[in-house]
Amino acid sequence: AQKITQTQPGMFVQEKEAVTLDCTYDTSDQSYGLFWYKQPSSGEMIFLIYQGSYDEQNATEGRYSLNFQKARKSANLVISASQLGDSAMYFCAMREGQVYGQNFVFGPGTRLSVLP
Amino acid sequence: EAQVTQNPRYLITVTGKKLTVTCSQNMNHEYMSWYRQDPGLGLRQIYYSMNVEVTDKGDVPEGYKVSRKEKRNFPLILESPSPNQTSLYFCASSRGTSVHNEQFFGPGTRLTVL
Repeated sequence: AQKITQTQPGMFVQEKEAVTLDCTYDTSDQSYGLFWYKQPSSGEMIFLIYQGSYDEQNATEGRYSLNFQKARKSANLVISASQLGDSAMYFCAMREGQVYGQNFVFGPGTRLSVLP
Repeated sequence: EAQVTQNPRYLITVTGKKLTVTCSQNMNHEYMSWYRQDPGLGLRQIYYSMNVEVTDKGDVPEGYKVSRKEKRNFPLILESPSPNQTSLYFCASSRGTSVHNEQFFGPGTRLTVL
C-alpha cells in the first residue's frame, strides 16, 4: 500500500490566488514528520515546510502553510498568493519514527501550473 | 555554504562501461542516501547510509553499489550500466534519522545509458 498519496497529478491556479495541494499518508507510528518539497523545471529539490506529528499548530513558512489534520491523516500544502515561479512539481514526504534507516518516503507528486 | 554536491551533473555513457557519481556534503550529516527519479514513479531510494561504513539497500538497489569510507562522501557506483538505469539521480543527506530531520538534496545527475 502507498504510504503517501497525492491524488492530483496536475493542478492549475491563477496568479495571485491561493491553491491547496493534497497529501494523505498512512502510518501506524505515533511519531512521524511530514515534509513538502518543490522541484522546479531546473530539477533541484527544494525543502519547503515541515510538520511534526506532535505539533499542535499548523506549520507556516512565508506563503506556505500546512493544513495538518491528524485524524484524517492529511497534510495538505497551501500556497497563498500564487506566483509564476511557483509552477513546479510538489512532493509530499514522510519520515517515520519506528522505521529503522529507510524511513523517508515520497508521494508521486503534483504538478502545479500558475497561469498569468 | 551548506550544500550537497554531485558530479557529474550530466553523463551520457554506453552499456557496460563502469561509472561513478560522486556525492559530498559539508554539513557533517550522519545520514546519506541515493534516489532515482523516473517519470510516473516518483523518487525511489537506491541505497542509504546511517554512518561511516554502514550502508544498506533501499527499494531499488539492483545494479548499484555504494561506499561510505568518509562521513562527507557517498559515491554511487554502476559497475555495468544498462539502458534501464537511464534516470535522474539525487544524493541527499540529513543530520540523522529523526522524524524532525529534513533531507537536503544535491542538484541531481542526469544519466543516459545508450
